[in-house]
Amino acid sequence: DTEVTQTPKHLVMGMTNKKSLKCEQHMGHRAMYWYKQKAKKPPELMFVYSYEKLSINESVPSRFSPECPNSSLLNLHLHALQPEDSALYLCASSQVSGEYSNQPQHFGDGTRLSIL
Amino acid sequence: GEDVEQSLFLSVREGDSSVINCTYTDSSSTYLYWYKQEPGAGLQLLTYIFSNMDMKQDQRLTVLLNKKDKHLSLRIADTQTGDSAIYFCAEIPAYGSSNTGKLIFGQGTTLQVKP
Repeated sequence: DTEVTQTPKHLVMGMTNKKSLKCEQHMGHRAMYWYKQKAKKPPELMFVYSYEKLSINESVPSRFSPECPNSSLLNLHLHALQPEDSALYLCASSQVSGEYSNQPQHFGDGTRLSIL
Repeated sequence: GEDVEQSLFLSVREGDSSVINCTYTDSSSTYLYWYKQEPGAGLQLLTYIFSNMDMKQDQRLTVLLNKKDKHLSLRIADTQTGDSAIYFCAEIPAYGSSNTGKLIFGQGTTLQVKP
């Protein structure tokens, strides 16, 4: 059983829709991450939140908007996505992040997103 | 920049040992990780090793680290069909680069276990 919970597991949306992906962890971790993963490829980092503040944005298009309402929750708001955005979106958490941090990241099972 | 390399595919018979190899470039990495991804699932943290260790054993899993050659391996003893998955090697550069604190993954090794 994963300790990082992501909802929904699957999402199909049109290019004009607005939807949100949700992630929750109760391990007391203070760093949370969003990754995008294409089939048979490693995950690509999108965003990092550290102590509920955005610390890394890997030049992600503005149609992806992250939000960290509190230390346990992480959202990813989606708007006007493109077909190439279809992928598995993974959330992860770790105790801390940043320089000198080597804390292992724990991943959820992901949301499989399909853009029509 | 930092780079992690793995072979893409490994096929073994059930009951045999599997050895998945990985090389990395960043010498500042203090921990190195192995993740497992089954079809349709997220990444499961299998094990990790601190860079001042040569070996770590956890039940059927043995991790060997050669820091001089920057080579990491994962040995799975008595491989089962349930071990079929993609295995990712990863490092986190500790300091001194634009990737400091970020998890750098290899391309993943697909392990196929034949009955």
